[in-house]
Amino acid sequence: TQLLEQSPQFLSIQEGENLTVYCNSSSVFSSLQWYRQEPGEGPVLLVTVVTGGEVKKLKRLTFQFGDARKDSSLHITAAQPGDTGLYLCAGAKGGNKLVFGAGTILRVKS
Amino acid sequence: SAVISQKPSRDICQRGTSLTIQCQVDSQVTMMFWYRQQPGQSLTLIATANQGSEATYESGFVIDKFPISRPNLTFSTLTVSNMSPEDSSIYLCSVVVGATGELFFGEGSRLTVL
Repeated sequence: TQLLEQSPQFLSIQEGENLTVYCNSSSVFSSLQWYRQEPGEGPVLLVTVVTGGEVKKLKRLTFQFGDARKDSSLHITAAQPGDTGLYLCAGAKGGNKLVFGAGTILRVKS
Repeated sequence: SAVISQKPSRDICQRGTSLTIQCQVDSQVTMMFWYRQQPGQSLTLIATANQGSEATYESGFVIDKFPISRPNLTFSTLTVSNMSPEDSSIYLCSVVVGATGELFFGEGSRLTVL
């Protein structure tokens, strides 16, 4: 059983479209992180959300942490081909260990 | 942040052999981890590399199969022993930076076992 359920698994969209990736759990996390991974590279940290209800924006990316700190979403506005990659959410439950979601493979077609 | 170098970046190995992956960090870090990412899947924590003591392994991973060394605060190695095709994966070294436990990853070592 995946502690962090991430959806959708795959997403193929046209350039300029909007999309949302969801990360859900029945567990409470002290913080939640979003990573992006391109082929042949390690995951790169995009953002960390810590406070319930927190919203963070990174250019065209908007991250939200649920009020109860059990879920999070990543919204991309006007997706670009450069956004293509594997997006991973990861929850921290203490002790510096992270639990990763299954990942969302995003492909943005030009 | 931290700059993490892993080598080899990729290797093709024969069944039954062993391979050691090195991880070098550009600064001293307390927490260092090894992850495995099987083809098309997410990351699974193998173990926490502890400086000066035995690594702490997660459920499903054992020291005989994945011996880990951490001689100092900037370096660690992971050995994949007696390899089988099921060990074909990307192996990633990561370190914790910051109070919120943010992980920084190396580029990964892609291992293919024939």
